[in-house]
Amino acid sequence: GENVEQHPSTLSVQEGDSAVIKCTYSDSASNYFPWYKQELGKRPQLIIDIRSNVGEKKDQRIAVTLNKTAKHFSLHITETQPEDSAVYFCAAVPNFGNEKLTFGTGTRLTIIP
Amino acid sequence: EPEVTQTPSHQVTQMGQEVILRCVPISNHLYFYWYRQILGQKVEFLVSFYNNEISEKSEIFDDQFSVERPDGSNFTLKIRSTKLEDSAMYFCASSVRGANYGYTFGSGTRLTVV
Repeated sequence: GENVEQHPSTLSVQEGDSAVIKCTYSDSASNYFPWYKQELGKRPQLIIDIRSNVGEKKDQRIAVTLNKTAKHFSLHITETQPEDSAVYFCAAVPNFGNEKLTFGTGTRLTIIP
Repeated sequence: EPEVTQTPSHQVTQMGQEVILRCVPISNHLYFYWYRQILGQKVEFLVSFYNNEISEKSEIFDDQFSVERPDGSNFTLKIRSTKLEDSAMYFCASSVRGANYGYTFGSGTRLTVV
């Protein structure tokens, strides 16, 4: 089955700097890659997603890039703010019709004021 | 914004007891899911449900687990005989068109087995 690896497990950046979180996946048939933000004790919330026919997607300070050949995808947060502090999970859906999201192990992002 | 609602928010149960976790998915969603998250770990898939039947389940979802959509609004997860290792946060999720179109997660039920 699909395996999603995520790095780093923890990340601290100064407020205003950029943060990058990287994931790799194993199943070349995977075609949908969402990113979730989870604040302490709360539900995962979808912040951005990308499909396999797109290489990059941006939404204000957040962007996601996908390299299908290398089976890598990354989350980029620019101009970080204290409210960006949370655990971020990448995920992959192995193939169309498969209903399972396989999550990465999470990155705890801390923004230092 | 529509929400997925879960009850209770926290449940404590004795080992060996049955528990039912309840979820009300978003009304026009057709795909329903249960995930669990052991404290400090990643979110793990349990089961997906579509058209009144299980469409996929993980190895975690053994004979002790079952799901049901008893009416047009509720979606339940039953654990027949709880074990200590079932202690986790259980998230329900729903999707209008399936996993490829994103999920909305509920706020979770923290299950503690003692």
